[in-house]
Amino acid sequence: GAGVSQSPSNKVTEKGKDVELRCDPISGHTALYWYRQRLGQGLEFLIYFQGNSAPDKSGLPSDRFSAERTGESVSTLTIQRTQQEDSAVYLCASTATGLTYNEQFFGPGTRLTVL
Amino acid sequence: GQQVMQIPQYQHVQEGEDFTTYCNSSTTLSNIQWYKQRPGGHPVFLIQLVKSGEVKKQKRLTFQFGEAKKNSSLHITATQTTDVGTYFCAVPGDSSYKLIFGSGTRLLVRP
Repeated sequence: GAGVSQSPSNKVTEKGKDVELRCDPISGHTALYWYRQRLGQGLEFLIYFQGNSAPDKSGLPSDRFSAERTGESVSTLTIQRTQQEDSAVYLCASTATGLTYNEQFFGPGTRLTVL
Repeated sequence: GQQVMQIPQYQHVQEGEDFTTYCNSSTTLSNIQWYKQRPGGHPVFLIQLVKSGEVKKQKRLTFQFGEAKKNSSLHITATQTTDVGTYFCAVPGDSSYKLIFGSGTRLLVRP
């Protein structure tokens, strides 16, 4: 079956504009994660969704960042009033159940450049 | 919170040489996962280790989990140019669902 997909693959925006990034997880995967990866750096946890439970938003760096997920389907990550330090690759991953024993399947990422 | 140290930060080897990356935790781990990220790509799961002292092999890759379950290593024998990429370890964080990724070891292979 299809893997995790993300869109757009690249996004260039001007400082101050809002952007919306989309993630389509693997069908049937209940858990979905968003990560941020700055150039040459590791993965920084942003937010976690599990089914209809309240999301873990503890990794969101500021109130300009928000994310939504409807049930066990698509998720969107929104960054308002983008800043240059938001430039990074935003990765989405899904897992079957969300436990740390599960393999995380990553999407190809969205490369965000804020001018 | 949980942290994991990964070393070295990068390594440049001649094709055919061996390569090892290490992950160290200050606390006992229930499990550890390893991922590979090719340049310009996304992380791809390689393996998970769960048992104390566990050793798993995938062709030229050997993964070890320490006896105390606080450290792990990934060893590549006779590197090839296809091994180029960044290797990350990932350990459970402060919840049942959160993974903490190491900073990664970037491997460069000279042909």
